[in-house]
Formats: sequence, C-alpha cells, structure tokens
Amino acid sequence: KQEVTQIPAALSVPEGENLVLNCSFTDSAIYNLQWFRQDPGKGLTSLLLIQSSQREQTSGRLNASLDKSSGRSTLYIAASQPGDSATYLCAVRPRGDNFNKFYFGSGTKLNVKP
Amino acid sequence: SQTIHQWPATLVQPVGSPLSLECTVEGTSNPNLYWYRQAAGRGLQLLFYSVGIGQISSEVPQNLSASRPQDRQFILSSKKLLLSDSGFYLCAWRWTGTGVSEQYFGPGTRLTVT
Repeated sequence: KQEVTQIPAALSVPEGENLVLNCSFTDSAIYNLQWFRQDPGKGLTSLLLIQSSQREQTSGRLNASLDKSSGRSTLYIAASQPGDSATYLCAVRPRGDNFNKFYFGSGTKLNVKP
Repeated sequence: SQTIHQWPATLVQPVGSPLSLECTVEGTSNPNLYWYRQAAGRGLQLLFYSVGIGQISSEVPQNLSASRPQDRQFILSSKKLLLSDSGFYLCAWRWTGTGVSEQYFGPGTRLTVT
C-alpha cells in the first residue's frame, strides 16, 4: 500500500525567505502527484500537478519537482509572504489496481511571519 | 467552469442520530467522486469513491455509507452517529476524460457529534 509522508509537520519562517516542503512516497508506480493548499476550516485548493513523466511544474512563485525513482517531491516557495501561511498537502495517484484513489500525506503547516 | 458544492457547511448532531451530507458537482459529466474525512490536525482519510451512478467503493469499514443516485450527486449517510464520526468531511471530484486529471475539492462540512 502506498504511504505518503510529509516532513516537517510544521515550519515557521520570516517573510521573504525561500523555503522547501518535502513529500515522500513508498511506491514509485504513480500516475501523478498533486500539491494542495488548505486554509483553516476550508477545503483543499489545488496548486500544482506533476505527471509521472514530468520533472517539475511551475506556477508563479511555486515550483514543484518530482523524482519518481527516489519517491520524492518538493514544493519550493520563493519569497514567502504572510499570505502563504496555510497547510500544504501532497497526494499521489498510484498506477495499478488502485488507480482511482489518491493517497495523502498529513501535511506541513507553514507560518510566514511578517 | 466546474464547481462543487457541499451542504450543510456545519452540523451538530447527537450520538445515535442519522446523518446525510450532500455533494453536487456542476459543469462536468461522469466525474469520479470521493468522500474524505479529516480529523483535527491530520491528513485525509478516503472513505468512499464512485466511478459512476450506483457504483460505490468503500475504503474503511464503519457505520457510514455512500450513495450516488445521479451522475453529479454524491451522498454520505449514517443511520446512527458515533462520537468518533466527528470531523471535517470533504467531497472531491476528478475528471475522467483525456488529459491532465486533477482532483478538486468542495468547501467541506464540519460535523460535531455530541
């Protein structure tokens, strides 16, 4: 069974700092990996999706990379702002019998201090 | 454009009472639909998913059930709630056509069982 881990569980940084969030998964047979943002008490907002054939995706100040062979993805946030404070979750969609499911990490809670 | 609705937004129910949460998707057809539960400070637990009308896959044995009476409607139910059913319930959909297939989430329902 696919297991997804996100480290650290929480991160606090001063405004303006560049930062990296980590996501690791145990089975490299995946269709894609998706990064989400969740604000307190809200649903998840999709940030970036990386297909298994891709190495990275970029959207504005966000850059997500994927190293399928090592079972790792990173979300890079440039020039962090207080508005980036939220919980960030990653999810993988596996190949094989469970291809309709998504496996989520527990998230990294980010606090960007003004 | 596609939108996903969930209601109610919040719900407080006594132990032993019934439950019905509803999720509807607009602007797409034949989506895969998902119910997740998120306990406080934790990741998402997949409860049910559906690939079509009347087709439900259960992921976790429990006193909850799901139904899909229409293509874009997904209902989560219980005959008798337990204290452990408290949590944040999220509905999500995924497009099943060709191309990139992200998962999109609704705003969630906060359920408190007293």
